Amino acid sequence: EPEVTQTPSHQVTQMGQEVILRCVPISNHLYFYWYRQILGQKVEFLVSFYNNEISEKSEIFDDQFSVERPDGSNFTLKIRSTKLEDSAMYFCASSEDSIPMNTQYFGPGTRLTVL
Amino acid sequence: GQQVMQIPQYQHVQEGEDFTTYCNSSTTLSNIQWYKQRPGGHPVFLIQLVKSGEVKKQKRLTFQFGEAKKNSSLHITATQTTDVGTYFCAGQGSGTSYGKLTFGQGTILTVHP
Repeated sequence: EPEVTQTPSHQVTQMGQEVILRCVPISNHLYFYWYRQILGQKVEFLVSFYNNEISEKSEIFDDQFSVERPDGSNFTLKIRSTKLEDSAMYFCASSEDSIPMNTQYFGPGTRLTVL
Repeated sequence: GQQVMQIPQYQHVQEGEDFTTYCNSSTTLSNIQWYKQRPGGHPVFLIQLVKSGEVKKQKRLTFQFGEAKKNSSLHITATQTTDVGTYFCAGQGSGTSYGKLTFGQGTILTVHP
């Protein structure tokens, strides 16, 4: 069964450094998402991406963050100048259809630790 | 903005007992999705409900979507130790086209053998 994959599984970085989290969505999916989950808390929406552009972003997704689909398979989240509070699990998700049948499948996540 | 509330936060049951978690949205939803997350794992899709009043079953799991499309529930009959995990509901609002999911806080289910 097709799956969303993410790399790396764990990223440790120093505060102020830039990180790039990578995702390979399910191949025939057109809608891509990033979510994050701070330890012990609920999953929070960051951004959605369709047709090579951001379609919606949350208030969390400020100028520190950017997304890109550099080729036909990868979808990346870049965090510039990381802060301690960016430590969280970052999940990529993808979907084949738009609303209302927008079932989203999540990848295994990248645990980001900012020291 | 849209808020999704989920109760209870924790539920401890003996194996064989039933379990229910409830989800309530501040706004009418286009659809609601349910996910299960094991400790250290990622949200795994369980089901999506789209129609008002919809009821779907998966073996021992019964999912319900309210008539007003603002609330939902997940009921597990005769829990097993394999049901342990956090169950999240996640709603999609009518006003967004591209599927932002707003998650509830989740219900952590523990099952004692």
